[in-house]
Amino acid sequence: KNEVEQSPQNLTAQEGEFITINCSYSVGISALHWLQQHPGGGIVSLFMLSSGKKKHGRLIATINIQEKHSSLHITASHPRDSAVYICAAISGGGADGLTFGKGTHLIIQP
Amino acid sequence: KAGVTQTPRYLIKTRGQQVTLSCSPISGHRSVSWYQQTPGQGLQFLFEYFSETQRNKGNFPGRFSGRQFSNSRSEMNVSTLELGDSALYLCASSSGINTEAFFGQGTRLTVV
Repeated sequence: KNEVEQSPQNLTAQEGEFITINCSYSVGISALHWLQQHPGGGIVSLFMLSSGKKKHGRLIATINIQEKHSSLHITASHPRDSAVYICAAISGGGADGLTFGKGTHLIIQP
Repeated sequence: KAGVTQTPRYLIKTRGQQVTLSCSPISGHRSVSWYQQTPGQGLQFLFEYFSETQRNKGNFPGRFSGRQFSNSRSEMNVSTLELGDSALYLCASSSGINTEAFFGQGTRLTVV
């Protein structure tokens, strides 16, 4: 069973700061999701990646398969980025569905 | 293109009752997965359906069941509700196996 660990659990930063959220997993995966959850519950998929790096606007996600580690970066952070960010791993050929980290609660202060 | 639709959004049930939640995936998506989110356990995988067949099941008791119809819409059922079943239930659809998942807004179930 894959164990997915995220850090930090909570992060408060000032508007404009560069944000990094880390995710590590214990066994090999086929892909990893980065998800964003706002108050109210709705989840938005930000990225799905299996190697290298992806960029969308101010968000960048990287993954190192050998080190079993992924990072989500937010450049020029804004209060609207305040949310819970969750990484989720697909392993076992998808046999276990998604395995989720506990999430990082991010607050960006103006 | 419409997103993933879950109904109802909110539900209050009494212990011992049963409940059925519905999920309509994005048009053309054949895979639907269900997840439970609680403050203590976070997000946990319930089960996945693909083309009307249950493909995988998480570690939940038999009171939790589901099905998928020929139009890919899915329902999950929880029988003999317990207080601990109070949670946000999310479904996600994807076009195939191990492809990007798109989540619905969830159904918040409260058991009293």
